Amino acid sequence: DAGVIQSPRHEVTEMGQEVTLRCKPISGHNSLFWYRQTMMRGLELLIYFNNNVPIDDSGMPEDRFSAKMPNASFSTLKIQPSEPRDSAVYFCASSFFQGHKGTGELFFGEGSRLTVL
Amino acid sequence: AQTVTQSQPEMSVQEAETVTLSCTYDTSENNYYLFWYKQPPSRQMILVIRQEAYKQQNATENRFSVNFQKAAKSFSLKISDSQLGDTAMYFCAFNPSGWGKLQFGAGTQVVVTP
Repeated sequence: DAGVIQSPRHEVTEMGQEVTLRCKPISGHNSLFWYRQTMMRGLELLIYFNNNVPIDDSGMPEDRFSAKMPNASFSTLKIQPSEPRDSAVYFCASSFFQGHKGTGELFFGEGSRLTVL
Repeated sequence: AQTVTQSQPEMSVQEAETVTLSCTYDTSENNYYLFWYKQPPSRQMILVIRQEAYKQQNATENRFSVNFQKAAKSFSLKISDSQLGDTAMYFCAFNPSGWGKLQFGAGTQVVVTP
């Protein structure tokens, strides 16, 4: 079975450019999470969706960040304009929750390493 | 606020030996879920083991086992018969409700030496 698929795997861009990261969750999963990993701050939850609806976006650092989930099989995380401090690995993860219950574990993609020069 | 603390930034162990990683958490919930994830140099986050708080029996997955002490809010991971492929960053994670977001500790780098 295919796992969580993220693209691109690596992205190098210049400050001020728009960056779009993409994620395809595991088929059948109804929850999707975007995490950011840096040396300084570790793993931080940016936003998560349940049944394509954003539930908690309190981790989104600022208005330059936006995330969408137009359907159950696709999500994007966009940064516009990008800044050097956005350099990090961005993980997408998915899971299945039903009636506020689930196994609790998340299944992660391989991450997208973003470098903003 | 709920937090997850891993107090060991790095641990070194020789092949075939045993290493134990510590994790403590803080919560007022009674039923919750705990996990250990492994992140090798490939950066893929891999689930190692999970524990449900209402289960008293400690979870075991092959060479990996946990010591879950609910009253002490402690959740340590033991890696037995360490192998070179166990070299990775290990993250303790907490999910208070079984759905929704995981909270991660800062991680412990495990280095297995020949």
